[in-house]
Amino acid sequence: DTAVSQTPKYLVTQMGNDKSIKCEQNLGHDTMYWYKQDSKKFLKIMFSYNNKELIINETVPNRFSPKSPDKAHLNLHINSLELGDSAVYFCASSSAGEVNSPLHFGNGTRLTVT
Amino acid sequence: TQLLEQSPQFLSIQEGENLTVYCNSSSVFSSLQWYRQEPGEGPVLLVTVVTGGEVKKLKRLTFQFGDARKDSSLHITAAQPGDTGLYLCAHNQAGTALIFGKGTTLSVSS
Repeated sequence: DTAVSQTPKYLVTQMGNDKSIKCEQNLGHDTMYWYKQDSKKFLKIMFSYNNKELIINETVPNRFSPKSPDKAHLNLHINSLELGDSAVYFCASSSAGEVNSPLHFGNGTRLTVT
Repeated sequence: TQLLEQSPQFLSIQEGENLTVYCNSSSVFSSLQWYRQEPGEGPVLLVTVVTGGEVKKLKRLTFQFGDARKDSSLHITAAQPGDTGLYLCAHNQAGTALIFGKGTTLSVSS
């Protein structure tokens, strides 16, 4: 069973469109994240949710809106897509109550904006 | 933001060679984590180091945390093609999430 699954794996769209990426984890974790990995492989935190509440928003444009309907899901909606949004987006989860809790990542969504 | 500098950025070696990659900072950390990311997949945790001077081994991989807890190294003995991937070090920064270095891309050819 996949622990952290995100869909779709690939997303190709045009500038100006709106798109969503979905993420689900079956690990029973209480904290979920969105990371962006750019073309140079740099992995940067975007958002973090704990028990459905937003706890971290790392100066991400307002066009990005995460939504957590429950502890096991964290979706990412992007409005008015721009060329610079092209990247691989990773969902991850962890347990806030565990010391040095590792992140468990999904396999990424490769977004290409043309 | 406490930055993590990783070196080298790229490393291309032959099967059977040994290698060391580094993760350095001017800040002191309570712990550091190492991840490996293979193409088309998300990063996967290899190890967490917590105590200054600590050495942990994972088969042919040896991880060391510096005495001052400002740096860490990963040594691979007799590299194999299956070791190919992006090696990332990371730390938990207070008030935010896990912060990653820029990684070392390792390519091992047979």
